[in-house]
Amino acid sequence: DGGITQSPKYLFRKEGQNVTLSCEQNLNHDAMYWYRQDPGQGLRLIYYSQIVNDFQKGDIAEGYSVSREKKESFPLTVTSAQKNPTAFYLCASKDSQNSPLHFGNGTRLTVT
Amino acid sequence: KNQVEQSPQSLIILEGKNCTLQCNYTVSPFSNLRWYKQDTGRGPVSLTIMTFSENTKSNGRYTATLDADTKQSSLHITASQLSDSASYICVVIVMDSNYQLIWGAGTKLIIKP
Repeated sequence: DGGITQSPKYLFRKEGQNVTLSCEQNLNHDAMYWYRQDPGQGLRLIYYSQIVNDFQKGDIAEGYSVSREKKESFPLTVTSAQKNPTAFYLCASKDSQNSPLHFGNGTRLTVT
Repeated sequence: KNQVEQSPQSLIILEGKNCTLQCNYTVSPFSNLRWYKQDTGRGPVSLTIMTFSENTKSNGRYTATLDADTKQSSLHITASQLSDSASYICVVIVMDSNYQLIWGAGTKLIIKP
């Protein structure tokens, strides 16, 4: 079955540590996205990539970094510069402008 | 400013009852509007898409409406089931070069037996 796999499901880190969230898709989609979801708020776009080796900042990119070395993979690094990193992180992909986003099942990151 | 407001914030109904969720938007220029269902701890899944010219679209027990004049959309759920318990998120797509998505905060629906 095609889909998006995010790992791990839960992640705990100490403040000051960088952490990388994995996102892999086998849908053959060109475009991939990272969103952050906080209670009571709409999804906020962190980074997106429309093609391999290219990515763009979203609305809240500060404190985050990404890479897109392979079509299937779009890992997100939450750096120590991110002031409030505890959140639910969602990775998504789509194959064309008018297509719906296909989401993974998220990674819940807790930083203490 | 482009915004999407959803109401109510949360809703509890008995199994078998109907309900309607609201989405009001101030997005311009408008491309289309989607409703997503998000189960707890999972990623959202697309339910339906509404383009400018569409007034009503159904997907099983889910019926979405769109009034482009008043900039309102609704999602009606008929004969609710326990599996309908989820958050329902409205997202409006802006007709710009990036097809920016403006997300609502969602309505949390709880179905009680």
